[in-house]
Amino acid sequence: RKEVEQDPGPFNVPEGATVAFNCTYSNSASQSFFWYRQDCRKEPKLLMSVYSSGNEDGRFTAQLNRASQYISLLIRDSKLSDSATYLCVVNPGGFKTIFGAGTRLFVKA
Amino acid sequence: DAGVIQSPRHEVTEMGQEVTLRCKPISGHDYLFWYRQTMMRGLELLIYFNNNVPIDDSGMPEDRFSAKMPNASFSTLKIQPSEPRDSAVYFCASSTNRDYYNSPLHFGNGTRLTVT
Repeated sequence: RKEVEQDPGPFNVPEGATVAFNCTYSNSASQSFFWYRQDCRKEPKLLMSVYSSGNEDGRFTAQLNRASQYISLLIRDSKLSDSATYLCVVNPGGFKTIFGAGTRLFVKA
Repeated sequence: DAGVIQSPRHEVTEMGQEVTLRCKPISGHDYLFWYRQTMMRGLELLIYFNNNVPIDDSGMPEDRFSAKMPNASFSTLKIQPSEPRDSAVYFCASSTNRDYYNSPLHFGNGTRLTVT
């Protein structure tokens, strides 16, 4: 079993739609969680950290469920510019940062 | 402040040749990571350093790969001899414990390696 698993997609949604991605992790002792965004042929960039109580940043909402060992990302009112690959990131301990394979999102006009 | 700087941006080499990838982390960052990205395997952590000391190299695929960090501002990833299956994008990233939850990893632009 992979340490971090994501549905690769692609998710094809129209502008204005709400879309959600899930990610599961195998190490129950994992300490910190993030979502990164990666545009085609670019480097990954931090989208948001995921806090235990859940957190929101504009149109983006992240949730953590430690009991079931998954995190989620919800994007509301999708924009064309949201088209990218979204990477789930988990720290199983220390600074060993593990990336999921990513979920591709295409937002269409 | 300059970001993480990697060189070269692109490298094309023949099988059996030595390849050296270079990275300059953000000044003041005390963690440095080397990742490899392919379509099949995604982003794989190869090795990471703390204060120039290798902490975890369990992701280094085999003895052909080696990484060094002689000082706080420079790291290399070397492949000798290179093989076609090493073709990938290699990313360097740096981080600091002081700002970890707000911006945990800062990536360079990557080196696109092609081994023919």
